[in-house]
Amino acid sequence: QVQLVESGGGLVKPGGSLRLSCAASGFSFSDYDMSWIRQAPGKGLEWVSHIRRSGDHIYDADSVKGRFAISRDNSKNLLYLQMDSLRVEDTAVYYCAREGAKFSGTFYYWGRGTPVTVSS
Amino acid sequence: DIQMTQSPSSLSASVGDRVTITCQASQDTGIYLNWYQQTPGKAPKLLIYDASYLEAGVPSRFSGGGSGTDFSLTISSLQPEDVATYYCQQYHNLPYTFGQGTKLEIK
Repeated sequence: QVQLVESGGGLVKPGGSLRLSCAASGFSFSDYDMSWIRQAPGKGLEWVSHIRRSGDHIYDADSVKGRFAISRDNSKNLLYLQMDSLRVEDTAVYYCAREGAKFSGTFYYWGRGTPVTVSS
Repeated sequence: DIQMTQSPSSLSASVGDRVTITCQASQDTGIYLNWYQQTPGKAPKLLIYDASYLEAGVPSRFSGGGSGTDFSLTISSLQPEDVATYYCQQYHNLPYTFGQGTKLEIK
């Protein structure tokens, strides 16, 4: 069955960096686009970043553009989110999500999420 | 960016009630609209895709409708396990955007 397991979250000071990972299993990872989505405490869902299955097209939300970088290693079935210049407002649970086989934008499967806290 | 506005923000209804949540887009999104259910402490779960198609395994009491800018999610007979927050999401354009959520409780 499809499994997505995020890791790498934690407590970091403002201005610091973290790298999140998402280990995928149960499907052909290289056949699917992927996204990161976050949820601040007590708040709604915010899409963060998207990467095409081949890794050649990347789209970021304006709120993270220039600070976060999504990438993937199809040989290892891993999705990453490098987060630099972190701000207090980046505090959230970060989910990785698998999109559709034919069309992007529908999040069919989600991981359980990894919490990121940015605080001094 | 396309703004998604859900109403109501919260809703209390009785078991067996018919419940409808609406979602309005700031511009035409065609049928590129999904609905998700999130129970406390869990990841969201896809319920409806392409405005009206029920995801596999989702109970048939859930249904979706609409196109363009106005969409709805209906639960035909509310069950206790439907207590959750529901989100709409458009994928007509990047950035993908979500509604603010509707928190559904049992009266």
